[in-house]
Amino acid sequence: GAGVSQSPRYKVAKRGQDVALRCDPISGHVSLFWYQQALGQGPEFLTYFQNEAQLDKSGLPSDRFFAERPEGSVSTLKIQRTQQEDSAVYLCASSSRDLSYNSPLHFGNGTRLTVT
Amino acid sequence: GNSVTQMEGPVTLSEEAFLTINCTYTATGYPSLFWYVQYPGEGLQLLLKATKADDKGSNKGFEATYRKETTSFHLEKGSVQVSDSAVYFCALSDNTGNQFYFGTGTSLTVIP
Repeated sequence: GAGVSQSPRYKVAKRGQDVALRCDPISGHVSLFWYQQALGQGPEFLTYFQNEAQLDKSGLPSDRFFAERPEGSVSTLKIQRTQQEDSAVYLCASSSRDLSYNSPLHFGNGTRLTVT
Repeated sequence: GNSVTQMEGPVTLSEEAFLTINCTYTATGYPSLFWYVQYPGEGLQLLLKATKADDKGSNKGFEATYRKETTSFHLEKGSVQVSDSAVYFCALSDNTGNQFYFGTGTSLTVIP
């Protein structure tokens, strides 16, 4: 597609449920990022993939959070045993990562997760 | 470490007013700097960027100059429109391009 696509757009989960959020990056983009955006805040880094390799997962808040990108394209962010503090918008972004390393991020519209 | 600090909002302006949103950064090495805009209900979109000191990024009438001496990247527009109402985020990427750091965002409302 023309842009980064995320699904679902909205997700309501009961506390304790597992959720899976999908990201379809721009075709050919090597780099993929997941961010968490709380209400009224800027995006906070969660994790980064280069192709299928997860090079940085230092931003994942707990071991309940898990991300994968098995074929270097579509990525899934999974949150196990959701808690209320997980409520946020989860943003996916991709980048072409050119030789000068200053490629901008292209964001999807995000998935708004509400844990009740 | 790397971080971005931008002026807090919300900012309310009348149409055709001059806009400045301040952004300062802390970084090791030589970061690239960006402004992103988020319209209601949409994802972040790149507005402009600058990759080295003294570069000026510009788009849609917005401008920002990469000032290394003051570690700043202030966003300006000479005459805002109602359609500019959005949240604006200043961001930097480190010199690996693997990490992006965002400010907390500044909400702008332009009234007719």
